[in-house]
Amino acid sequence: DSGVTQTPKHLITATGQRVTLRCSPRSGDLSVYWYQQSLDQGLQFLIQYYNGEERAKGNILERFSAQQFPDLHSELNLSSLELGDSALYFCASSSTGGLRGSPLHFGNGTRLTVT
Amino acid sequence: GDSVTQMEGPVTLSEEAFLTINCTYTATGYPSLFWYVQYPGEGLQLLLKATKADDKGSNKGFEATYRKETTSFHLEKGSVQVSDSAVYFCALINTDKLIFGTGTRLQVFP
Repeated sequence: DSGVTQTPKHLITATGQRVTLRCSPRSGDLSVYWYQQSLDQGLQFLIQYYNGEERAKGNILERFSAQQFPDLHSELNLSSLELGDSALYFCASSSTGGLRGSPLHFGNGTRLTVT
Repeated sequence: GDSVTQMEGPVTLSEEAFLTINCTYTATGYPSLFWYVQYPGEGLQLLLKATKADDKGSNKGFEATYRKETTSFHLEKGSVQVSDSAVYFCALINTDKLIFGTGTRLQVFP
């Protein structure tokens, strides 16, 4: 058990809809990272938050947004969903703001299916 | 830009066989190198790492050596078990970016 909790485990929704994915980091971790895993694109980094502030941005679409709350949990919002957004979305946490300082701990992911 | 290339899977082996999963990288400077493992239905777990040239990372019988001259970080295990069946990701960290390879699925049969 990595200590990172993601909800829900599965989500099925229709095109055009909006969903929210939630992540609770490991106790004491200040950084939250979001990744998208799809069959054709592999693991793509979306965005990182550190102690409530956006720290780094990857290949995140404008239809997607995220935030980290004062209690350090994070939410990833996906809107105007398209079939191609179907993927596994992973959250990871670490204790530092930089990647070299401490390892990433991954949650078990949310599987999103857009129909 | 920086990148990681892994051998395509699936790799199919019998129990107790020798495993090699190839990984090469392209990066400027001195990246740190990692192997992550993803078991079915789970997130990625750090398996081993190496932070400088000639370092050998090892864990659970797996090992990989950071070879700067060949820009490689091949994963090896002397005797695989059915429980090793998973997807293995090679990754690097450079200039505070974590870049994953596409993953290699390993299937071990009794």
